[in-house]
Amino acid sequence: SAVISQKPSRDICQRGTSLTIQCQVDSQVTMMFWYRQQPGQSLTLIATANQGSEATYESGFVIDKFPISRPNLTFSTLTVSNMSPEDSSIYLCSVGPGQGAYEQYFGPGTRLTVT
Amino acid sequence: GENVEQHPSTLSVQEGDSAVIKCTYSDSASNYFPWYKQELGKRPQLIIDIRSNVGEKKDQRIAVTLNKTAKHFSLHITETQPEDSAVYFCAAKKGQRGTSYGKLTFGQGTILTVHP
Repeated sequence: SAVISQKPSRDICQRGTSLTIQCQVDSQVTMMFWYRQQPGQSLTLIATANQGSEATYESGFVIDKFPISRPNLTFSTLTVSNMSPEDSSIYLCSVGPGQGAYEQYFGPGTRLTVT
Repeated sequence: GENVEQHPSTLSVQEGDSAVIKCTYSDSASNYFPWYKQELGKRPQLIIDIRSNVGEKKDQRIAVTLNKTAKHFSLHITETQPEDSAVYFCAAKKGQRGTSYGKLTFGQGTILTVHP
């Protein structure tokens, strides 16, 4: 499976600021996903990021709040904008299949606390 | 869209017992069903998966069964050990146009505790 890294691993941010989370993969992947996992909860998909096209956002998530970049097949960023305490969560990137493969793997996550 | 229901939310067993976690899904077009294990503070780890053309799959002490007609699938862990204690998530994916591309919808998770 691909080796996935995220930066930062954790951060404490002030209300109203923005944080950009980076996701780096050691091999080219077709699909990259960004998830949010609130404390004690399941994983909720924020958006799907495909290289060369606009990210596709899930219901309840908008580009102005969570802009995403996918400049190449090994890298993506998620920005959490104008943060509020409700944005405190773990944000995980995930990489999905190569051709014919269904498996999806997760990065280590970024633990965000907004004060 | 797809909806995945997972039960139970918590499960407590004695070491050596079996544990079973069940999930149901709503979209009959879903064709891929993975299970993830998430230990405290760690990322979700893919432990086993099954595709819709298979009814059962085993890997040592874990197995997954799929009933497409009833739209449910289950995770079975035999001879449980304390290190099996974690949160387990099921998920379902509907591949786009029959391909492997698509998004995962997750169940709510099951906290499994194995008592020594």
